[in-house]
Amino acid sequence: DAGITQSPRHKVTETGTPVTLRCHQTENHRYMYWYRQDPGHGLRLIHYSYGVKDTDKGEVSDGYSVSRSKTEDFLLTLESATSSQTSVYFCAISEGLDTYQETQYFGPGTRLLVL
Amino acid sequence: GDSVTQMEGPVTLSEEAFLTINCTYTATGYPSLFWYVQYPGEGLQLLLKATKADDKGSNKGFEATYRKETTSFHLEKGSVQVSDSAVYFCALNDYKLSFGAGTTVTVRA
Repeated sequence: DAGITQSPRHKVTETGTPVTLRCHQTENHRYMYWYRQDPGHGLRLIHYSYGVKDTDKGEVSDGYSVSRSKTEDFLLTLESATSSQTSVYFCAISEGLDTYQETQYFGPGTRLLVL
Repeated sequence: GDSVTQMEGPVTLSEEAFLTINCTYTATGYPSLFWYVQYPGEGLQLLLKATKADDKGSNKGFEATYRKETTSFHLEKGSVQVSDSAVYFCALNDYKLSFGAGTTVTVRA
């Protein structure tokens, strides 16, 4: 199994509060990704990182920000959580040698409920 | 933009039945194609992949062939087991990974 951990694994929060999710990898992979999983939508990319301090937006980035200050850690922040951000969040990593073909490895997920 | 369409579930089968999950895609380039599987309570893991037309990916008895002429990558398994119960996602990678909605498969003993 790829060495990816996510914390917390479960979180309940209230609308309007800030929330930070953490992804930690031990593989020294260059690329890291944040996805959200919702019924009927599969997984949708929120943000990704292609190196320390190098990040870019995905298809559903509104309301989210990210930071990567170390190769092994990628943080996802909901500045002011809303009920529409209730979801399961997955972190993924890939080596970044050939982004067209290579496999992404996924973490176990964080289940977030915004009341 | 790129997109993936896969057959809607849920799919319920008996053990040893034949499984097919249809997947078609739309892409402007020449993507790689993937099937990921998600077992209950877990993250996604790669099941198989194909990187060019006519390639066949296979793993754990599952197979899928990259058909450029029909823009398809259907997943098949000849004899399913209870342990194959999971959600299956078709995905394409044309610089970024785009997923289908997922198909829930339940295999009954």
